[in-house]
Amino acid sequence: DQQVKQNSPSLSVQEGRISILNCDYTNSMFDYFLWYKKYPAEGPTFLISISSIKDKNEDGRFTVFLNKSAKHLSLHIVPSQPGDSAVYFCAASIEVPGNQFYFGTGTSLTVIP
Amino acid sequence: DAGVTQSPTHLIKTRGQQVTLRCSPKSGHDTVSWYQQALGQGPQFIFQYYEEEERQRGNFPDRFSGHQFPNYSSELNVNALLLGDSALYLCASSLAGATEAFFGQGTRLTVV
Repeated sequence: DQQVKQNSPSLSVQEGRISILNCDYTNSMFDYFLWYKKYPAEGPTFLISISSIKDKNEDGRFTVFLNKSAKHLSLHIVPSQPGDSAVYFCAASIEVPGNQFYFGTGTSLTVIP
Repeated sequence: DAGVTQSPTHLIKTRGQQVTLRCSPKSGHDTVSWYQQALGQGPQFIFQYYEEEERQRGNFPDRFSGHQFPNYSSELNVNALLLGDSALYLCASSLAGATEAFFGQGTRLTVV
C-alpha cells in the first residue's frame, strides 16, 4: 500500500523556467514532509521540508507548498538549472522522534540547457 | 566532517547466502535507519537503531536483522538471500528527536 505517491515518473523543463514536482499522500496522520534529491550512484540528499502547521516553506530557489485538505504537496524550483537534473523523492512522516519516512517512487527531472 | 559512509559499495551474492552491510553515521549522530530501494521504487524502511536497540521496524521478514555498536555504527544482516533482495540498501543517520536524516551513498546488492 503506497501511502506517498508521485504520479509523474519524469519531467523535462527548459533552463530558467519553473519546475513543479507533485506528491500526494493518503495517511492523514502524516505531519512532516520532506523532499530529497538523488543523483546516480549517490544517496538521497535532503533538500527542503515542511511541517503540517505551515502551508509554504521557501529556501532560495526551492519552495514547498502543502495543501492538507487535498493531501497534496508540491516542490517548485525557479529558475531551474541543468544541475537540478536528478531524481526527486517526496517523503512523509509522523513527527515523533525516530519515526520512519515513507517515500514516493520519485520523479526524474531533466533541465534542458 | 565525513558524512554517512557505507561499505561495501557493490556486492554480488548467491541465492541462499548471507550478507552483512556496514554503516558509519555522520559525526555526532546517534540514530541509524536502514532502507531498501528496489529498482524504480522509493526507499522502503527496514528498521532503525538507537542506543544499540532496534527502535522501530518496517514490514520486512526476520531474515533482515541488524545491530548497532557503542560508537553508533551499524550493520544490516540478511540471511537466506533471495533474488528479490537485490536492491540498493541505504543507511540514514540522524540525531535522536530530529526529523531530518542524512543518507549514505548506498550498497548495491545483487543476488544471483
